[in-house]
Amino acid sequence: NAGVMQNPRHLVRRRGQEARLRCSPMKGHSHVYWYRQLPEEGLKFMVYLQKENIIDESGMPKERFSAEFPKEGPSILRIQQVVRGDSAAYFCASSLFSDRGSRSYNSPLHFGNGTRLTVT
Amino acid sequence: AQTVTQSQPEMSVQEAETVTLSCTYDTSESDYYLFWYKQPPSRQMILVIRQEAYKQQNATENRFSVNFQKAAKSFSLKISDSQLGDAAMYFCAYKAGANNLFFGTGTRLTVIP
Repeated sequence: NAGVMQNPRHLVRRRGQEARLRCSPMKGHSHVYWYRQLPEEGLKFMVYLQKENIIDESGMPKERFSAEFPKEGPSILRIQQVVRGDSAAYFCASSLFSDRGSRSYNSPLHFGNGTRLTVT
Repeated sequence: AQTVTQSQPEMSVQEAETVTLSCTYDTSESDYYLFWYKQPPSRQMILVIRQEAYKQQNATENRFSVNFQKAAKSFSLKISDSQLGDAAMYFCAYKAGANNLFFGTGTRLTVIP
């Protein structure tokens, strides 16, 4: 069972270009999360998606950033008109989640290896 | 709002010794999950251990164990018989229901040979 797959591993973009980061969740996982990690910092939540739905995008910058998780295919994090401050490691995670009676069940998040975006 | 606090930016431990990493959190939820993740220089995020808040028994995974104090909202990680491969950033994390995972700022652990 393959883990969470992110590609590319490294991405270099010039200022003003677009960056597309891809994430294929673990088999059977229907929940995807995107996090950003700046150097020497922790992971900051960006967006949480289920198939064809954005559940929580409270951590996503209002402009230039968008995310999708289509019915078929990987989740995509898209950054338009990149700036130097977008340089960071972007992590995707997936999980299995279900409600069972009065207690919700959370499987732990499984992370991909990240995409390091460098904006020159 | 949920917050996770790791008050130790850096810790060091002698090889084969024991070290405890601290984590506190703030929540109004009664049902939630707590996690410790390890991030070695390879950057991969590796789940070390998890704890369900409704369970009173502290979770253990081989050399890793937690001290979960629900009333105090404390969730420390104990690493016994530390090994060189344990050197990494350690992140404490919290999750409630369908919400996302909140991370602390991390503790960098150095293992001294």
